[in-house]
Amino acid sequence: ETAVFQTPNYHVTQVGNEVSFNCKQTLGHDTMYWYKQDSKKLLKIMFSYNNKQLIVNETVPRRFSPQSSDKAHLNLRIKSVEPEDSAVYLCASSRLGGRGEQYFGPGTRLTVL
Amino acid sequence: GEKVEQHESTLSVREGDSAVINCTYTDTASSYFPWYKQEAGKSLHFVIDIRSNVDRKQSQRLTVLLDKKAKRFSLHITATQPEDSAIYFCAASMQGGRALIFGTGTTVSVSP
Repeated sequence: ETAVFQTPNYHVTQVGNEVSFNCKQTLGHDTMYWYKQDSKKLLKIMFSYNNKQLIVNETVPRRFSPQSSDKAHLNLRIKSVEPEDSAVYLCASSRLGGRGEQYFGPGTRLTVL
Repeated sequence: GEKVEQHESTLSVREGDSAVINCTYTDTASSYFPWYKQEAGKSLHFVIDIRSNVDRKQSQRLTVLLDKKAKRFSLHITATQPEDSAIYFCAASMQGGRALIFGTGTTVSVSP
């Protein structure tokens, strides 16, 4: 099956903890993205990677960091989570340097207590 | 930076009627305009897109119109069905691998 896979589906943690989310795509795409969807369903880009090179970073707090081992994987680490980090984190991928349509994973729902 | 405004926050239609969702953007450099559908509890699913070299694109019951002068694009759904009920997001991006800038979403409800 070719798609965008994310783990875990849900994660509940305490303020100040570190969390890490995984994303893998088997579509042969060369660009991957992380988006944040808040409780009002607003979607905002956080990061994108093209051939291991960070090409977008939209004023995301420093406690967030993307990690990529190859073009099929883009993980997201959050050091010292805060309550406002509670959201759904969506991973996506695309081909042709990002000019093609983006395919989204199922999302990881983070709840910070 | 680019800003995308989605004008209808909710849209209620009767089954079989048409629905239209309108979006505007600010950056003239934007050239790619996709639409995504999000059903309750699910992720985003691509439905249709349009690039700036055309002003109209149709796929079955979906039509996207692009007016570059007005920096406006719209999604038209004809013969709506209950399964069309979802949140629809418009988005914009520039060529060259840029991320999508999304509108705020339109909740479409199709009643029998």
